[in-house]
Amino acid sequence: ETGVTQTPRHLVMGMTNKKSLKCEQHLGHNAMYWYKQSAKKPLELMFVYNFKEQTENNSVPSRFSPECPNSSHLFLHLHTLQPEDSALYLCASSLGDRDGEQYFGPGTRLTVT
Amino acid sequence: SQQGEEDPQALSIQEGENATMNCSYKTSINNLQWYRQNSGRGLVHLILIRSNEREKHSGRLRVTLDTSKKSSSLLITASRAADTASYFCATDRGGTSYGKLTFGQGTILTVHP
Repeated sequence: ETGVTQTPRHLVMGMTNKKSLKCEQHLGHNAMYWYKQSAKKPLELMFVYNFKEQTENNSVPSRFSPECPNSSHLFLHLHTLQPEDSALYLCASSLGDRDGEQYFGPGTRLTVT
Repeated sequence: SQQGEEDPQALSIQEGENATMNCSYKTSINNLQWYRQNSGRGLVHLILIRSNEREKHSGRLRVTLDTSKKSSSLLITASRAADTASYFCATDRGGTSYGKLTFGQGTILTVHP
């Protein structure tokens, strides 16, 4: 256990559904991240939040909408996804300092049908 | 090639042997980090080496960094079957990009008992 939890662990959704992924960290960190991991592609950084403020949106389509209500919780709201959005979505957190190692959650395996 | 590119893509060894993985990158960095991922799970941070460091050790792990060649290597000594996993390097460019890691595609290590 790294102190970062993600729910659900598995999600199957249709292209017209709306769902949300949740991430919670119990480490007192100030920065939180969403990554996408697709087969045969490097881990892609999607969003970064520092002290609840979004500091990075890595050209992510608007069908992915992040929310960070406080420094311990991070959500990824999903709507009208495409089959190519099927992937492992990983949440991570760090202290937010200059040399921050990141602590990852177990991920949510998303399948879009 | 992409920032943080590892080679080999796959490595198969016997228990007790050493495993060496390499990582090359393109831009200047603040630090370079190595992570491990067991199949379909979250990533676990292994070691961080700063741009002004040349070598770092942690247990059976040894990491080197050559900023003139923009390359790093991860050595796992006396490997165990439990070391079977994917290994990723990630670069942190620092400055306004600190914490925004760029990952390579990883090396899949298989250690046979």
